[in-house]
Amino acid sequence: EAGVTQFPSHSVIEKGQTVTLRCDPISGHDNLYWYRRVMGKEIKFLLHFVKESKQDESGMPNNRFLAERTGGTYSTLKVQPAELEDSGVYFCASSQGDKSSPLHFGNGTRLTVT
Amino acid sequence: SQQGEEDPQALSIQEGENATMNCSYKTSINNLQWYRQNSGRGLVHLILIRSNEREKHSGRLRVTLDTSKKSSSLLITASRAADTASYFCATGDTGRRALTFGSGTRLQVQP
Repeated sequence: EAGVTQFPSHSVIEKGQTVTLRCDPISGHDNLYWYRRVMGKEIKFLLHFVKESKQDESGMPNNRFLAERTGGTYSTLKVQPAELEDSGVYFCASSQGDKSSPLHFGNGTRLTVT
Repeated sequence: SQQGEEDPQALSIQEGENATMNCSYKTSINNLQWYRQNSGRGLVHLILIRSNEREKHSGRLRVTLDTSKKSSSLLITASRAADTASYFCATGDTGRRALTFGSGTRLQVQP
C-alpha cells in the first residue's frame, strides 16, 4: 500500500509569490487533513476534507490560503500571496474510519518564504 | 498552556534507560494518541488510548491517561538509539474530528 505522498518536499519562494502544495492520500481514505508546523512549535490543524467536501476549515489562517480536493482524491493547498510567516512544514494526513482511526502522514513540504 | 502540550521539550538519555514524556490537555476528549516523528519524515502513529481507559501497553511502550488531571504519559522502556525522534501527543476532542497536536518532546538516546 502506497503511503501519503506530498510534493514538493521543499519550496523556497519570495514574499508575494504563489506556491501550490500537493498531497496524494492513501487510496480509499475519505478523510484528508492539512497541518502546519512553524519554527518547532506545535503542529497546527489547518483543515479537514471528507471526500471532496471541506468538513472543518477553522484552522485556515486567512484568505491567502486556499485548499481544494476535486474529485475527492488528491488535494492542493495554495498560498497566494505568500508572506514570511507562512514559512514552516506543511503536513498532509489521511485516514479512513471513525474518530479513533490513526492518521497516516506524508513527509511534509518545507516551505521557506524569503 | 496549549492543548496537547508535551513535557519536557527535550530529553536526553542513555541507551537502556527508560524515557518518560508527559502530555497535558484542556478539553474533553474521546481519545489520546501518541505519534513519533523521525527527522525529515512524517509522523507515525504509535498508540491510542480511549477516554475510558487508564493504561495501555504496546511492546516497549506504556501509555497512561488521567482524565481528571487531563494528562497522559508515554513511557518507553529499555530505550534504543533508534528511538531517537520527536514524540507528539494528539487529542481527539469530543467536539471535532481533527486531532489536536502539541509541540512535541525531542528524545535523544545516546548509544
